[in-house]
Amino acid sequence: KAGVTQTPRYLIKTRGQQVTLSCSPISGHRSVSWYQQTPGQGLQFLFEYFSETQRNKGNFPGRFSGRQFSNSRSEMNVSTLELGDSALYLCASSPTGVNYEQYFGPGTRLTVT
Amino acid sequence: DQQVKQNSPSLSVQEGRISILNCDYTNSMFDYFLWYKKYPAEGPTFLISISSIKDKNEDGRFTVFLNKSAKHLSLHIVPSQPGDSAVYFCAASARGAQKLVFGQGTRLTINP
Repeated sequence: KAGVTQTPRYLIKTRGQQVTLSCSPISGHRSVSWYQQTPGQGLQFLFEYFSETQRNKGNFPGRFSGRQFSNSRSEMNVSTLELGDSALYLCASSPTGVNYEQYFGPGTRLTVT
Repeated sequence: DQQVKQNSPSLSVQEGRISILNCDYTNSMFDYFLWYKKYPAEGPTFLISISSIKDKNEDGRFTVFLNKSAKHLSLHIVPSQPGDSAVYFCAASARGAQKLVFGQGTRLTINP
């Protein structure tokens, strides 16, 4: 079974721009979560989607948004990029939610200049 | 407010010996705990998990122990191998919360 895939793997953007990251979960998994990893803050939860519905959201500003499609693929968008948004963005999938093992993709490394 | 803490940023262990990684949590609503291993430039890889109704779970060389009264869990790796060198994260979730809360990670180095 193919693992979680994320595109693109690397991205360089300028302050003020917006960016969209994509995640394809493991086949059959309906829950997709997004996390931000930075050296200072570690792994921080962004949001979780299940059957196209956002079930939980972390403490991030409204510039961070996401969505899930009917095939369980998910996208996250960051608008008006700031230097502090530079991070590794990780997507994870699980069959139904977090009280099962979550499987992570390789991440998208976003650099904001 | 860091609800999951890994107080040791790094740990060095000789090959063949036991590695013990520790994790403390403060939120008594957490009822499911997981350990992940992470190599540079890769996403975290799931290792082992434990439900709050258990105090021990074993999978090959990996064993996780949970002490609910102390709000403490640990990961034991026996015997340690060079390929175990990585950053290890513990994570916790509360039923219905639909999110994982991670510790800051412990860098484990296995020396030959």
